[in-house]
Amino acid sequence: NAGVTQTPKFRVLKTGQSMTLLCAQDMNHEYMYWYRQDPGMGLRLIHYSVGEGTTAKGEVPDGYNVSRLKKQNFLLGLESAAPSQTSVYFCASRYGQGASKTQYFGPGTRLLVL
Amino acid sequence: QKEVEQDPGPLSVPEGAIVSLNCTYSNSAFQYFMWYRQYSRKGPELLMYTYSSGNKEDGRFTAQVDKSSKYISLFIRDSQPSDSATYLCAITQGAQKLVFGQGTRLTINP
Repeated sequence: NAGVTQTPKFRVLKTGQSMTLLCAQDMNHEYMYWYRQDPGMGLRLIHYSVGEGTTAKGEVPDGYNVSRLKKQNFLLGLESAAPSQTSVYFCASRYGQGASKTQYFGPGTRLLVL
Repeated sequence: QKEVEQDPGPLSVPEGAIVSLNCTYSNSAFQYFMWYRQYSRKGPELLMYTYSSGNKEDGRFTAQVDKSSKYISLFIRDSQPSDSATYLCAITQGAQKLVFGQGTRLTINP
């Protein structure tokens, strides 16, 4: 089991460029999440999905779009990158049912927008 | 006001010390209370979670929840250099989402 993987690990963008971050999980989890982590701000939820074909906004969705075309993949898109989107991005997944609310995190993608 | 407040530290203690990490929260509807540990340049991993008020022990770690005060704590006994990490409290919001504190960076000095 690879768990949750993220691609790429690191990326530098220029302002206005676009890119897509890929998250993949092999645990057959229903729920998937995208967070950003900034110094002093903790983890903030960008978008999430409770199943294939569904997405919902989190706390800080502006400037990002997502898609969940396959159960195992959750894509995060930046259409026109801004310096304020410089951050570390984490993907997470969890089972949809049951008492456990454990989210399993990927290793993160470091994004620098110049 | 943030829904979950956590002192970001940093906190530096000698090896063997007892460490206390704390969070407060504002929404009494929160249900599950969790502590995640994050090593440098890694993703967070779940350390412990609890549902009710009181204490829960797991080895050297004790999670404590006081719902009447909306206060949660993580205690680390006999701290080790390998415990050096950022610790994040997290609380479930509804059935789908977690709300995280800002994280406390902890260093255990040999």
